[in-house]
Amino acid sequence: GAVVSQHPSWVICKSGTSVKIECRSLDFQATTMFWYRQFPKQSLMLMATSNEGSKATYEQGVEKDKFLINHASLTLSTLTVTSAHPEDSSFYICSTKTGNSYEQYFGPGTRLTVT
Amino acid sequence: AQSVTQPDIHITVSEGASLELRCNYSYGATPYLFWYVQSPGQGLQLLLKYFSGDTLVQGIKGFEAEFKRSQSSFNLRKPSVHWSDAAEYFCAVGGTSGTYKYIFGTGTRLKVLA
Repeated sequence: GAVVSQHPSWVICKSGTSVKIECRSLDFQATTMFWYRQFPKQSLMLMATSNEGSKATYEQGVEKDKFLINHASLTLSTLTVTSAHPEDSSFYICSTKTGNSYEQYFGPGTRLTVT
Repeated sequence: AQSVTQPDIHITVSEGASLELRCNYSYGATPYLFWYVQSPGQGLQLLLKYFSGDTLVQGIKGFEAEFKRSQSSFNLRKPSVHWSDAAEYFCAVGGTSGTYKYIFGTGTRLKVLA
């Protein structure tokens, strides 16, 4: 399967600051990337879908001005949590796919803690 | 709306015992079906997938799953559980509503007794 990396693997930031999470597709061109968040002991909830070179499509209830997604290349997507608050503390996971494949490849996740 | 149900939130089995994790989906057509495993603090690892063809699918780590269209189910099985199988298991459905999105089940946490 494809290899997907995320950086950082964990981050602690202060309330009101912004934090950027990177998702990289290491061995194939990811035409589409997905961003999920997962609260403790819960399932993954899709936040947004991003296609390379296009604006991200956000799921209902996700604030697009708070969670900025950039997918500027076929191997890199970033999620920026702006003006983070403690309730944004969560596990953020990205996934990638290519072409018409329905299979997604998942990154290892980023643990965000906002103090 | 499409949905994925994993009825069992927690399952405890003894090491060496057999395992079956249930997954039911709600979707008019045959979706793409996946089972993932997640260890604490880790990302998702694909165990197996079903797109079409043989309804009994073999995966990694000795897991298998059977697609039953009549029951809208895709249950995961393993004949003999190892202590290292303790983890969270997620069933996912893809290709619904003409998109590439996944819908995840709520997960089943597996505990293995030595």
